[in-house]
Amino acid sequence: NAGVTQTPKFRILKIGQSMTLQCTQDMNHNYMYWYRQDPGMGLKLIYYSVGAGITDKGEVPNGYNVSRSTTEDFPLRLELAAPSQTSVYFCASRDGGNEKLFFGSGTQLSVL
Amino acid sequence: GEDVEQSLFLSVREGDSSVINCTYTDSSSTYLYWYKQEPGAGLQLLTYIFSNMDMKQDQRLTVLLNKKDKHLSLRIADTQTGDSAIYFCAEPGSARQLTFGSGTQLTVLP
Repeated sequence: NAGVTQTPKFRILKIGQSMTLQCTQDMNHNYMYWYRQDPGMGLKLIYYSVGAGITDKGEVPNGYNVSRSTTEDFPLRLELAAPSQTSVYFCASRDGGNEKLFFGSGTQLSVL
Repeated sequence: GEDVEQSLFLSVREGDSSVINCTYTDSSSTYLYWYKQEPGAGLQLLTYIFSNMDMKQDQRLTVLLNKKDKHLSLRIADTQTGDSAIYFCAEPGSARQLTFGSGTQLTVLP
């Protein structure tokens, strides 16, 4: 099992550019999450999904979009990148039986 | 909403014990969690405690829970340089969505 896989690991964007952060998991987990991590701020929930076809906003959804067309994949889209979106992004998943999250290794994004 | 608080930094000498503290607000959480993040990596589940317990021991790790004060602590015995990392406390609350603390950066000095 690969677990939760995120790509790319690093990316630099110019202001106004768009990109998609990819996340896939092979554990057949229904629940998937996107977090951003800023220094000293912990993790903030951006979006989450409780199953294919269902997505919900988290604490900080502005400037982001998600889709969940399959159980395995949960891409995060940035449409008009802004410097405030410079952060480390983590995807995570879990099954429905408990709250134990499995995390990907993260994507470090810089918007200049 | 849920709020989870931790101090940001802790330094200890190799071989000493480390104690990382956390306070939370939502008393409906069934479990409370500790995650570890090593440099350049994602978070990994370190240990957890059922809310009906007041202590859980797992090798060098001891988790203490004071439900009345909503206080959770993680003690690492015989701390090693490999324990240097950021430690996050997390609670799910009634919505079963994990809320994380800001993380405690543990530095182990030789």
